[in-house]
Amino acid sequence: GIQVEQSPPDLILQEGANSTLRCNFSDSVNNLQWFHQNPWGQLINLFYIPSGTKQNGRLSATTVATERYSLLYISSSQTTDSGVYFCAVSTGGFKTIFGAGTRLFVKA
Amino acid sequence: DTGVSQDPRHKITKRGQNVTFRCDPISEHNRLYWYRQTLGQGPEFLTYFQNEAQLEKSRLLSDRFSAERPKGSFSTLEIQRTEQGDSAMYLCASSIGGGANVLTFGAGSRLTVL
Repeated sequence: GIQVEQSPPDLILQEGANSTLRCNFSDSVNNLQWFHQNPWGQLINLFYIPSGTKQNGRLSATTVATERYSLLYISSSQTTDSGVYFCAVSTGGFKTIFGAGTRLFVKA
Repeated sequence: DTGVSQDPRHKITKRGQNVTFRCDPISEHNRLYWYRQTLGQGPEFLTYFQNEAQLEKSRLLSDRFSAERPKGSFSTLEIQRTEQGDSAMYLCASSIGGGANVLTFGAGSRLTVL
């Protein structure tokens, strides 16, 4: 099955810093989503982005489907950005496969 | 739209007991998914329903696990003869029909097997 690799596995930022999270996948995908899991465990969908670039406030994402990767940019990080960021992909069916996540801690 | 609801939020049980989790998806969503998440890992796919039909099951879903969506609305996930390895967060997600398949997750049901 498809492999989803996320990097870095852990990230510590000072409040106000910028960061880039990466997601590599091993096969063509028709669906790619980024999620944030807050410290209480709730998964929130950030972006549906099988290709192209989207922005939502301080967050933006870019997927280059032909090169099988996606990037999540966080600018001017805040303590509330802390949590785990997951990349999740589908290859044509409706089974969505998650990566292991990037654990982000933003220090005040 | 009240989001995806899961019940109970926490369940502590003794090894060998049966447990059942319920998921109420967003009302207009016809697809429903169950995932399992253990500490430090990403969610792992368990099963998927399109309306009342269970269309795909992971090999992670052993014979002790059964999921139903009898009327195409709410779903239940039952674990029989629980084992300590079943301790995890059980997550339910739903999505509306169509190509994008954007998942909306519930808050999860955390199971602890003693």
